[in-house]
Amino acid sequence: AQSVTQPDIHITVSEGASLELRCNYSYGATPYLFWYVQSPGQGLQLLLKYFSGDTLVQGIKGFEAEFKRSQSSFNLRKPSVHWSDAAEYFCAVGSNFGNEKLTFGTGTRLTIIP
Amino acid sequence: EPEVTQTPSHQVTQMGQEVILRCVPISNHLYFYWYRQILGQKVEFLVSFYNNEISEKSEIFDDQFSVERPDGSNFTLKIRSTKLEDSAMYFCASSGFGVSEQYFGPGTRLTVT
Repeated sequence: AQSVTQPDIHITVSEGASLELRCNYSYGATPYLFWYVQSPGQGLQLLLKYFSGDTLVQGIKGFEAEFKRSQSSFNLRKPSVHWSDAAEYFCAVGSNFGNEKLTFGTGTRLTIIP
Repeated sequence: EPEVTQTPSHQVTQMGQEVILRCVPISNHLYFYWYRQILGQKVEFLVSFYNNEISEKSEIFDDQFSVERPDGSNFTLKIRSTKLEDSAMYFCASSGFGVSEQYFGPGTRLTVT
């Protein structure tokens, strides 16, 4: 069975500082990996995805993530956070080219301080 | 940009009542999904739907739940007899053919009293 672990429940960073959110997955075959962001009271917006190829993927809003098969990780990074990045971030794993169920992690809540 | 829409945004119902949550997926998408998120918890998969039939469902999706694509545009989730524990945000999603990400709607907040 597929699973996702996000070990950090809550992270606080200063505006302008760098950010890394951790994600570890468990999946027997080729994983399809995603990061979604959820602002309070809002739906899920896709930040970026990894299907194959280059292990460093770029997404929207200046985010990037690196797929490391040896570590079963797909960590999300941003070099300099903005106050508007405060939100909940969910890592997810899927299969079948993304057309089957997604399994989400428990999420990491990001707080930005001035 | 095409988007998934959901109605209503918030529904309050009494325990035991039937509710229907509606979704309009992106028009050329072929795969449709329902997920739910209980307040403060992670997003959980309920059901996926392809080619007019359920392709996968979770343990949560018991006989009280059903899905339907009544026409070429809508995708509905019906809860036959709501329970207090059905209170959650319900998200609809859709994806296209081939390698594709899932696009989520804004959600319907269901409150069962």
